[in-house]
Amino acid sequence: GAGVSQSPRYKVAKRGQDVALRCDPISGHVSLFWYQQALGQGPEFLTYFQNEAQLDKSGLPSDRFFAERPEGSVSTLKIQRTQQEDSAVYLCASSEHSSTDTQYFGPGTRLTVL
Amino acid sequence: AQSVAQPEDQVNVAEGNPLTVKCTYSVSGNPYLFWYVQYPNRGLQFLLKYITGDNLVKGSYGFEAEFNKSQTSFHLKKPSALVSDSALYFCAVRGDSNYQLIWGAGTKLIIKP
Repeated sequence: GAGVSQSPRYKVAKRGQDVALRCDPISGHVSLFWYQQALGQGPEFLTYFQNEAQLDKSGLPSDRFFAERPEGSVSTLKIQRTQQEDSAVYLCASSEHSSTDTQYFGPGTRLTVL
Repeated sequence: AQSVAQPEDQVNVAEGNPLTVKCTYSVSGNPYLFWYVQYPNRGLQFLLKYITGDNLVKGSYGFEAEFNKSQTSFHLKKPSALVSDSALYFCAVRGDSNYQLIWGAGTKLIIKP
């Protein structure tokens, strides 16, 4: 089936605007992860869902970041009052289960905050 | 604390020569190790992983990696490089008590014809 998809692929926001980034995981995948990747760096973990439960949000950098997965499939990462330091690529990944399964990544959303 | 080191920012190899991209790690418990490749403006693509078993793991596109517990390394290798292998390669690790992947900073692999 289809892989992980993310939308939009590119987002430009003015500082202070709110943004919402969408992730469609592979159908049937239980686990969903969000990562932030700064230019020239490896991804950094933001948050993890198992079905609709957000089991770990320890990587969210501030309370302006919020993620949800209300029906255990599609997930949305919301950033309120965006700041320039939020500029990065936001990657979503899903895996079939939660343990050692491989994580499959979407193409990412490149967020630029002006 | 868990960590991953990719000591080389860039590796240059001539087409047809063997290549190695280095990765060392630090993790509590048994390590689960992964290699991903990233092409420009594209997401991370899974290459291979080590969970348990044989230390030599074979993956996609002719890549393999060798797990060395004593040296805490998981170097990526390919016997004969292709120009199309040029990309950014990431090593990642997680411990057996959690699910977070910890990533290296990436190594840019350049294969010259």
